[in-house]
Amino acid sequence: GNSVTQMEGPVTLSEEAFLTINCTYTATGYPSLFWYVQYPGEGLQLLLKATKADDKGSNKGFEATYRKETTSFHLEKGSVQVSDSAVYFCALRSFYSGGSNYKLTFGKGTLLTVNP
Amino acid sequence: EAGVAQSPRYKIIEKRQSVAFWCNPISGHATLYWYQQILGQGPKLLIQFQNNGVVDDSQLPKDRFSAERLKGVDSTLKIQPAKLEDSAVYLCASSLAPGGHQETQYFGPGTRLLVL
Repeated sequence: GNSVTQMEGPVTLSEEAFLTINCTYTATGYPSLFWYVQYPGEGLQLLLKATKADDKGSNKGFEATYRKETTSFHLEKGSVQVSDSAVYFCALRSFYSGGSNYKLTFGKGTLLTVNP
Repeated sequence: EAGVAQSPRYKIIEKRQSVAFWCNPISGHATLYWYQQILGQGPKLLIQFQNNGVVDDSQLPKDRFSAERLKGVDSTLKIQPAKLEDSAVYLCASSLAPGGHQETQYFGPGTRLLVL
């Protein structure tokens, strides 16, 4: 079945540090890949997505590249800010057997704390 | 554009009691999802509606959970009777069209349930 594995947190960085959060996946077919962010007390927000191999999703200085050969979708940002403190979820959406819809499967989330 | 609305935001009940959550999706969104997010884990799909019909409820514990989406707009999720392990955040999400491969889901703020 489909699954997403992301690095365990928490991750603590100083402002302006470089961020990488690793994400690997297992899926049938050709999934779309997503990063969602959850700020304290809020719902999940789509941060970026990529729909096919070698696509790069980017938003708010974050980026991730869909690597089919390594089944990975690592999230990166060159210089984090205190306001980036949140929980980050990697997710995939792929057709799955036994159903006619496209199911969204999430990783467990990585808590990022950025200190000033 | 108004986002996905959910109520209540917080609920505390005792085990064996019943509880209901309400969701109002983004206007015009045909697809509605309910997720359960247990602390430290990613959201897990409970049920997906397309208009007022159920597309996928394979992970809904039907002996105690029920959901409906009358008139294809608002939805309610009910738990009766609640168990301790139902303590979680219940997220509602909606998307514009039938769950296509690239469709983006928009999440509400969630209802945090604590079962004592």
